[in-house]
Amino acid sequence: GDSVTQMEGPVTLSEEAFLTINCTYTATGYPSLFWYVQYPGEGLQLLLKATKADDKGSNKGFEATYRKETTSFHLEKGSVQVSDSAVYFCALDRGSTLGRLYFGRGTQLTVWP
Amino acid sequence: EAGVTQFPSHSVIEKGQTVTLRCDPISGHDNLYWYRRVMGKEIKFLLHFVKESKQDESGMPNNRFLAERTGGTYSTLKVQPAELEDSGVYFCASSLSGGASYEQYFGPGTRLTVT
Repeated sequence: GDSVTQMEGPVTLSEEAFLTINCTYTATGYPSLFWYVQYPGEGLQLLLKATKADDKGSNKGFEATYRKETTSFHLEKGSVQVSDSAVYFCALDRGSTLGRLYFGRGTQLTVWP
Repeated sequence: EAGVTQFPSHSVIEKGQTVTLRCDPISGHDNLYWYRRVMGKEIKFLLHFVKESKQDESGMPNNRFLAERTGGTYSTLKVQPAELEDSGVYFCASSLSGGASYEQYFGPGTRLTVT
């Protein structure tokens, strides 16, 4: 069945470090891929998305490229800030009209000044 | 514009008791989703409403869970009787329409602890 696997956390970085959070997926058809972020005390927010192979989603300095050949959608940021500390979730939508999302386990990121 | 709200934010109940969670979607959003995250695991889909109708309830774990969306506005999720394994964070999300083209907006979640 459809599933998402993302790297185990927690991830701890110093400010201005480079961030990569790995995400791979298993899905039939042509899924759309998402990264959601949950800041402390808040709900999940859509960070970025990509709807077809080779698309790059980007937002707030974060980027992820939809790689169909490696079934991956890794999240990257060149220089993290303390305010990026949050839980990051990779997710997919299998492309139906229903909109059900399949999530990974989440990766806790802590950035120290 | 108000976002998705959920009530309560936390609930601690004993095994065997009943709990009802509420979700108020963004006004005008016909699609409403319930998800659950058990500690340390992935967020799992529970069910999907379109207006007041259940479009997909394949993620509901068992018949102790009952979801309703009267009048196509707010939704409730009742757990009766609660078991220890029901502990987790229950998220509600809403969207204008179904499918990947429409962003799902999530509420802050209800943290349920069953002791």
